[in-house]
Parts: sequence; structure tokens; C-alpha cells
Amino acid sequence: EPEVTQTPSHQVTQMGQEVILRCVPISNHLYFYWYRQILGQKVEFLVSFYNNEISEKSEIFDDQFSVERPDGSNFTLKIRSTKLEDSAMYFCASKGGLQGQETQYFGPGTRLLVL
Amino acid sequence: DAKTTQPTSMDCAEGRAANLPCNHSTISGNEYVYWYRQIHSQGPQYIIHGLKNNETNEMASLIITEDRKSSTLILPHATLRDTAVYYCIVRVSGTYKYIFGTGTRLKVLA
Repeated sequence: EPEVTQTPSHQVTQMGQEVILRCVPISNHLYFYWYRQILGQKVEFLVSFYNNEISEKSEIFDDQFSVERPDGSNFTLKIRSTKLEDSAMYFCASKGGLQGQETQYFGPGTRLLVL
Repeated sequence: DAKTTQPTSMDCAEGRAANLPCNHSTISGNEYVYWYRQIHSQGPQYIIHGLKNNETNEMASLIITEDRKSSTLILPHATLRDTAVYYCIVRVSGTYKYIFGTGTRLKVLA
């Protein structure tokens, strides 16, 4: 069964450093998402991406964040200058593009720790 | 804010049916109800979704009331591996983002 994959599974970085989280969505899916979950808190929407552009973003997704689909398979989230409060699990999700394909499928997540 | 409300926690005996309720009184006519679960800090796992008819798959059944203001997820024979946080989600109309609430923490007891 196809699944969303994410790398790395864990990332430790120093405050102020840049990090890139990588995701490989399900093949032939067209909609891509990033969510995050701070330890003990709710899963929060960050951004959605379709047709090579951001279609929606939350207040959390400020200028420090960017997303990219550099090739036909990867979808990345970049945090330009990490802060302590960026420590969280980051989940990528993807969804098909056909009518009726409404379900988002999530990856296993990347645990980011900013020191 | 999430458009759904769920009990904070529930216990269920192993082998019994787990019935997880969800209220979504402001749901619109064309909005689906989705159920996911999260085991520890793993990625949310899709379980089932429905619009107005009851649905069943290999994991669970979904019962939606006729007025669509509430639904119940049924795990017919709960196992210890079903211990997780279960989320009922109604996608915000006009967007594709999910708004997660706090979910129901289901504990299956041996």
C-alpha cells in the first residue's frame, strides 16, 4: 500500500540554524500539506500546496518557513532560522487530485528538537 | 477552532466494541466527517469517512445520525493496539485543511 514517507525521523539543531524537512508524498497525489504538533498539544495546520504554489497557510507559517517541491517526488519544509519554540513533530500529508479523493494521508513525522 | 466536540477520554475492555461519539452540530450539507487516530506521536492514521450514509471498512464502522449533527465511530472488537487518540474532523468548508481538536483518548484494557 502506498504511503507518505518523511526524512529524517529525528533532527536536532542549534537555535538560529536552518533545517529542511523532507517528505515523499504518495505518487500521483497533487495536494500536499505540512502540520506540526508541539509535545502534548494538538496537531496544527501549517500550509497546503497545490500546482506548485501555496494554496493556504496558517498564522504559524511566517516568513521563517518556506515549502518547495524541487522535483517530481519530494516536498520540503524549510525553517530558515530555527527558534526554541519550533521544537515539535512535523507531519507531511498528501491527497489525490481526483473528485472524491478527499482523504489526506499522513507520514510518520519528523521530530525536530531545537537547542 | 475545531468544528467537532468529543469526550476527552474513554476506556474499553479488550474484545468489546468501542463506541466513540462526536458532535458536529454546525456541519454543512456537503461536508464529510473524517476519523483518524494517533498512536503515541506517530502520524495520524486514516480510519474512515462519511457524508450521510453509514460506512464500514476493515477497521471500523461509522454511524452518522440522520440530521448529521453527530456521528459514532465503532471499533467492533477492540484490541490493546487500538489504544490511541481518536480524532473526528470536519474539514473547513472551502479549504482542504484539517482542524484537529483534542480528540478522545481511548484506552483498551486487558
